[in-house]
Amino acid sequence: QSALTQTASVSGSPGQSITISCTGTSRDVGNYNLVSWYQQHPGKAPKLMIYEDNKRPSGVSNRFSGSKSGNTASLTISGLQAEDEADYYCCSYAGSNTLYVFGTGTKVTVL
Amino acid sequence: EVQLVESGGGLVQPGGSLRLSCAASGFTVSSNDMSWVRQAPGKGLEGVSLIYSGDKTHYGDSVKGRFTISRDNSKNTVYLQMNSLRAEDTAVYFCARDIVGATAYWGQGTLVTVSS
Repeated sequence: QSALTQTASVSGSPGQSITISCTGTSRDVGNYNLVSWYQQHPGKAPKLMIYEDNKRPSGVSNRFSGSKSGNTASLTISGLQAEDEADYYCCSYAGSNTLYVFGTGTKVTVL
Repeated sequence: EVQLVESGGGLVQPGGSLRLSCAASGFTVSSNDMSWVRQAPGKGLEGVSLIYSGDKTHYGDSVKGRFTISRDNSKNTVYLQMNSLRAEDTAVYFCARDIVGATAYWGQGTLVTVSS
């Protein structure tokens, strides 16, 4: 149950686009179309931003998009806004015989 | 309206026990995959335990043999029994539904502090 690997921090100016990567293995990210992305502000519960690799829940801005290639999933935030400053975590299904696997987390800073 | 309310956290001495509760409303816990996820101070999210709608359970390596997840369908509540607690179990514990699905929902969490 090794954690998925994410870049520790990413920054961008308002209006720019940034991409966060989440690297797993062929046993988790690469084997199922079940990667979710969560946004977490300090002291708050995580909020679902993307599910099933690239689907957006209702109410989530279309500035957030997800994609995947092989064992690496990505979250892109376009038109960066101040309220996007938060921690972001990926999470992947890893089979029926184990827990879900979380990423190490990425701190997004809006300059 | 969907709600998950965790309770039962607090200060406990090393080696002690606590039982966390997660009361659900707006949906039926027995029909969903329910998880406990924790977050140590200043750290990332860590999966602790999972109970599938079919009753199969899983545990993280760090809690296996010490923690037990269960469900009371009559109370629509999920529990986490935590025994032999260690300092490294100190964290906010979140209850969550369907973590990798479209209907993912998390509670606000309950703080567990293990200290003498």
